[in-house]
Amino acid sequence: GQNIDQPTEMTATEGAIVQINCTYQTSGFNGLFWYQQHAGEAPTFLSYNVLDGLEEKGRFSSFLSRSKGYSYLLLKELQMKDSASYLCAVEDSNYQLIWGAGTKLIIKP
Amino acid sequence: IAGITQAPTSQILAAGRRMTLRCTQDMRHNAMYWYRQDLGLGLRLIHYSNTAGTTGKGEVPDGYSVSRANTDDFPLTLASAVPSQTSVYFCASSPGTGGDTQYFGPGTRLTVL
Repeated sequence: GQNIDQPTEMTATEGAIVQINCTYQTSGFNGLFWYQQHAGEAPTFLSYNVLDGLEEKGRFSSFLSRSKGYSYLLLKELQMKDSASYLCAVEDSNYQLIWGAGTKLIIKP
Repeated sequence: IAGITQAPTSQILAAGRRMTLRCTQDMRHNAMYWYRQDLGLGLRLIHYSNTAGTTGKGEVPDGYSVSRANTDDFPLTLASAVPSQTSVYFCASSPGTGGDTQYFGPGTRLTVL
């Protein structure tokens, strides 16, 4: 079967750094996406990795290891507005996205 | 530029009733998708369309149907609603498939009683 695992909830302090992990087992791999979803809103795109390594985009970075079936999203200089759920999704061999259940990130002052 | 719009925003529906959720995009994207999102579960794909005139079944298609008569519109129909279809429904679109970012509509919150 296909499976995406990520922690259910994490808590971090404003100004700190947090790493959200995602492990996956899917039928094929055509890339991995990270989305942000604020409560009551639609998911919005954060990052896309298809090759191994780190992709940096401002305060957010995403890492991929295809051999380990592993990715992480790194958020630096946390702000209160970063309180949201972070969704990991893998594009499988049929070009369909398989989604994790999301990690709810709580930022405390 | 609206992006993707969905209607209605929310709806309470009696079991057994027929309901169509509307989705329209103005980005001329080829691919469109319908997902449902339930607490504790990831987004699950209901149906998709890679291009106008074609549709395909996703992970949870039973009880739902779609059509794609043109590029812009992708309605989702519940023929006879059941309580287990209570969920938040998101429509999304992407330029194509294969690494293309999906852009989401604001969602429809549906309650079936």
